[in-house]
Amino acid sequence: KAGVTQTPRYLIKTRGQQVTLSCSPISGHRSVSWYQQTPGQGLQFLFEYFSETQRNKGNFPGRFSGRQFSNSRSEMNVSTLELGDSALYLCASSSRTSGGQNTGELFFGEGSRLTVL
Amino acid sequence: DAKTTQPPSMDCAEGRAANLPCNHSTISGNEYVYWYRQIHSQGPQYIIHGLKNNETNEMASLIITEDRKSSTLILPHATLRDTAVYYCIVRGYGGATNKLIFGTGTLLAVQP
Repeated sequence: KAGVTQTPRYLIKTRGQQVTLSCSPISGHRSVSWYQQTPGQGLQFLFEYFSETQRNKGNFPGRFSGRQFSNSRSEMNVSTLELGDSALYLCASSSRTSGGQNTGELFFGEGSRLTVL
Repeated sequence: DAKTTQPPSMDCAEGRAANLPCNHSTISGNEYVYWYRQIHSQGPQYIIHGLKNNETNEMASLIITEDRKSSTLILPHATLRDTAVYYCIVRGYGGATNKLIFGTGTLLAVQP
């Protein structure tokens, strides 16, 4: 089956603009997580959604937000872009066990590479 | 902060076994060890996870010491395509979240 799809793959914005990134999880996966990867900070957790509800949030300013739709697709938004927001943004989806447990096995997309000028 | 310590880099000859160590001396009794890898410019890929018994799948083997304070990921016959950053992660199984805390990982360079 198809993997996690992220769009757009590459984009360039200028400071002060806002950006929306999209993620389509693997069919049947209802949990979606977002991560930011930069050379200086590595991979950092942004937030996680399940059944359209944010379940967990990382230590990022309020300019970073997200949402999940009823079909499990997710979007994240960054407003008032700063140079330091230049990064690879990764989306991951996962399923749960029949008992509803999170397995820790995440399937990542190839990411959206954002450059802020 | 990541609960694991890994060497920053390792080399391995193609066709030989790659043994990647990980220290997790503060691991709790209910926490599992997970391994992911990230090939350049791609998203991380799940490899394997385990609690205390050794685990094997089609990609790799995971050996966890009896005191669970360290583990080794083994790629039995490394190929050039195994060149990647390998992350060792400790987390509880189940729970309300899938959050992973990535450390800096080990860059494995497989040499021809």
